[in-house]
Amino acid sequence: DAGVTQSPTHLIKTRGQHVTLRCSPISGHKSVSWYQQVLGQGPQFIFQYYEKEERGRGNFPDRFSARQFPNYSSELNVNALLLGDSALYLCASSFGRDHGDEQFFGPGTRLTVL
Amino acid sequence: AQSVTQPDIHITVSEGASLELRCNYSYGATPYLFWYVQSPGQGLQLLLKYFSGDTLVQGIKGFEAEFKRSQSSFNLRKPSVHWSDAAEYFCAVGDMNTGFQKLVFGTGTRLLVSP
Repeated sequence: DAGVTQSPTHLIKTRGQHVTLRCSPISGHKSVSWYQQVLGQGPQFIFQYYEKEERGRGNFPDRFSARQFPNYSSELNVNALLLGDSALYLCASSFGRDHGDEQFFGPGTRLTVL
Repeated sequence: AQSVTQPDIHITVSEGASLELRCNYSYGATPYLFWYVQSPGQGLQLLLKYFSGDTLVQGIKGFEAEFKRSQSSFNLRKPSVHWSDAAEYFCAVGDMNTGFQKLVFGTGTRLLVSP
């Protein structure tokens, strides 16, 4: 079975631009979460989506938004990119039923903002 | 708010030697605790998790962890390290104060394995 997939693998943008990152969850999983991992740090929670609705949001500005589609795939959008947005963006999928459900992580999208 | 501390940024262990990675958490009740491993270019892989019950938890790849409430710790151990264990290890706590799944991660410990 395929794991969590993310695209693109790498991305280079300039300040002020907009970016869209994509994630496909494991088949049968209805929850997708997004994490930002800055170099040298642990991942930080951005969003969780479950059944196409935002269930939770971390401490990130409104420039960050996301959505989940009927097939449970998800997009993360970041507007007005800043240098500090350079990071590895990780997507995780799970059944999403409770806190204990294992989250399976994708390989990430490496975003570089110049 | 929950927090996780991994006091060791880097650890170097000889192949075949034992390993212990430290993790301390801050949480009011019994937490959900996790250890993940991240190899270069890869996502995070779950090694083991603790929710309740037996405080010694067995995971994949020969890893185990022990939950000690009195010390607010959840240290990861392996009796004999293999070169393929070289990676970054993250301890995480599940934030159950929210109505959603949220993991709070430590800053990670990079494991180097010497021949």
